[in-house]
Amino acid sequence: KAGVTQTPRYLIKTRGQQVTLSCSPISGHRSVSWYQQTPGQGLQFLFEYFSETQRNKGNFPGRFSGRQFSNSRSEMNVSTLELGDSALYLCASSSQGTTNQETQYFGPGTRLLVL
Amino acid sequence: AQSVTQLGSHVSVSEGALVLLRCNYSSSVPPYLFWYVQYPNQGLQLLLKYTTGATLVKGINGFEAEFKKSETSFHLTKPSAHMSDAAEYFCAVGQASGSARQLTFGSGTQLTVLP
Repeated sequence: KAGVTQTPRYLIKTRGQQVTLSCSPISGHRSVSWYQQTPGQGLQFLFEYFSETQRNKGNFPGRFSGRQFSNSRSEMNVSTLELGDSALYLCASSSQGTTNQETQYFGPGTRLLVL
Repeated sequence: AQSVTQLGSHVSVSEGALVLLRCNYSSSVPPYLFWYVQYPNQGLQLLLKYTTGATLVKGINGFEAEFKKSETSFHLTKPSAHMSDAAEYFCAVGQASGSARQLTFGSGTQLTVLP
């Protein structure tokens, strides 16, 4: 099975712009989660989607949003970019997402640089 | 709320020496614990996980971890370090309530293996 894929891998934007990142989960996986990784704050949970519904959201401003499509692919959007949004954005998928015992499989990430 | 503390942001060992990476958790309910490894410019790869049952968990690449409830610890060990083990290691706890799927990560430990 192919792993979790994320596009693009690298992105450079300027302050005030918006950006959309894409994630394709492992085939058959229905839960997709997003995490932000920065040197200062470490790995922080953004949100989780299951069957096109956002089930959980981390402590991030409303500029961060996401969605999930019927094929389980997910996108996250960041509007009005700030310098502090520069980070590695990781997507993870799990099969059912109904229990916290399930393993989350991570993609390679999208590295976003905001200038 | 659950939390994870990793003691030592940087650990250096000689090739062939024991690797010990420390992780303590805080949880009011039985935790589900994970260790992930991250190589440069890559996503996270699962090393091992503890859900229920045997407290000594064996993972990939010769790593293992022991769940000690009395000490609220889940330390990662490997008997003999290899140069290829140099990476950053993250301990994480799975959310223990509700259907939402979320991992809370420690701040990470950078492992350096000296020749």
